[in-house]
Amino acid sequence: DTTVKQNPRYKLARVGKPVNLICSQTMNHDTMYWYQKKPNQAPKLLLFYYDKILNREADTFEKFQSSRPNNSFCSLYIGSAGLEYSAMYLCASSRRGVNYAEQFFGPGTRLTVL
Amino acid sequence: GEQVEQLPSILRVQEGSSASINCTYENSASNYFPWYKQEPGENPKLIIDIRSNMERKQTQGLIVLLDKKAKRFSLHITDTQPGDSAMYFCAASHSAGNKLTFGIGTRVLVRP
Repeated sequence: DTTVKQNPRYKLARVGKPVNLICSQTMNHDTMYWYQKKPNQAPKLLLFYYDKILNREADTFEKFQSSRPNNSFCSLYIGSAGLEYSAMYLCASSRRGVNYAEQFFGPGTRLTVL
Repeated sequence: GEQVEQLPSILRVQEGSSASINCTYENSASNYFPWYKQEPGENPKLIIDIRSNMERKQTQGLIVLLDKKAKRFSLHITDTQPGDSAMYFCAASHSAGNKLTFGIGTRVLVRP
């Protein structure tokens, strides 16, 4: 099974409220990624977990949190949503121990902040 | 860091013709260049990739070319079919694929 699952598929949030997005995979991949995709923009890497080590991109460091309670699950947390967080959020996973490993993507969660 | 520019944003081609998408990157240390295809309602999927030790790679109607001097790589779809209609993303990585910088995407529309 090469499926990456994301829940929910659609999320409506109010400005100032928290948002928690979930990703799961059963491929025993050691690395999980979160990307943000806005219309007419390239998917942008927000952060990734290698095993239990979280790496956040410098320009999104304070905007997103994440947790990985076990190898299969990874969450993306927004403490206080703003209008600018409206986007598609894509989760991916790979085996980082293997160089040039394919990243497997989930279907995405479309977040709309009102 | 890395920046990847992808052109064109939309590509309309006649069935049976070829389609070409071009990407440029900035970081000379980038060594891995995958291409992802996203069909409507589907997840992005890797279709072909090329490493910096190669200049050309071909598989099942797809050709990728890499020009390291020009920091340019391209995808060529030969004999396009309706099933090739999709969004295509190029990407570059300087960490052997562990961090990808994507292009903005190209929507390919194949006319019957």
